[in-house]
Amino acid sequence: QVQLVESGGGMVQPGRSLRLSCAVSGFTLRSYAMHWVRQAPGKGLEWVASISYDEIDKDYADSVKGRFTISRDSSQNTMYLQMSSLKTEDTAIYYCARAVVEWIQCNWLDPWGQGTLVTVSS
Amino acid sequence: AIQMTQSPSSLSASVGDRVTITCRASQGIRNDLGWYQQRPGKAPKLLIYAASSLQSGVPSRFSGSGSGTDFTLTISSLQPEDFATYYCLQDHNYPLTFGGGTKVEI
Repeated sequence: QVQLVESGGGMVQPGRSLRLSCAVSGFTLRSYAMHWVRQAPGKGLEWVASISYDEIDKDYADSVKGRFTISRDSSQNTMYLQMSSLKTEDTAIYYCARAVVEWIQCNWLDPWGQGTLVTVSS
Repeated sequence: AIQMTQSPSSLSASVGDRVTITCRASQGIRNDLGWYQQRPGKAPKLLIYAASSLQSGVPSRFSGSGSGTDFTLTISSLQPEDFATYYCLQDHNYPLTFGGGTKVEI
């Protein structure tokens, strides 16, 4: 059974850092592109970052470029989102999602994890 | 970045109704568009990819159409479990961008 479980969320002060994890099971992480998507409270979805199946390509939303870094450890079946210089507008539920098709850069996202809440506040 | 304009932002409908949601891209994106459903308090779920292909396990009452800049999601006969918010997502190029969402209410 394919499963994605996010963790690492919490409350953090502006300017600080936080690392989110997405632990996967039921499939081989190294064969799929993976994505992070966020949703501010009561708002719509915003794509944040993606990593290609071969880790060669990493792409970011303009709003997080230079502050967030996506990575993965296939031996641990875990993807990460390192977030630094956090701003109040980064407050959101962060979801990880897998690409539908393996071995290509696929941007059809399914399944998704249940999300982890990040609150940036002083 | 490509802007995705979704309409309407909300609609009221009844069980059995035919519902249509549209998404317009700020530039041509071929058929590089997906539709997602998000029920309250839940993670999104992929319904349609490549503008018109039904994701495995999704009921056939959902369909998608369009190419270039104009796209449509249609629910042929609304069911109680379909009351949710729907989003389009363009994957033509980075950054990927979502539409603003359409909330389907009773």
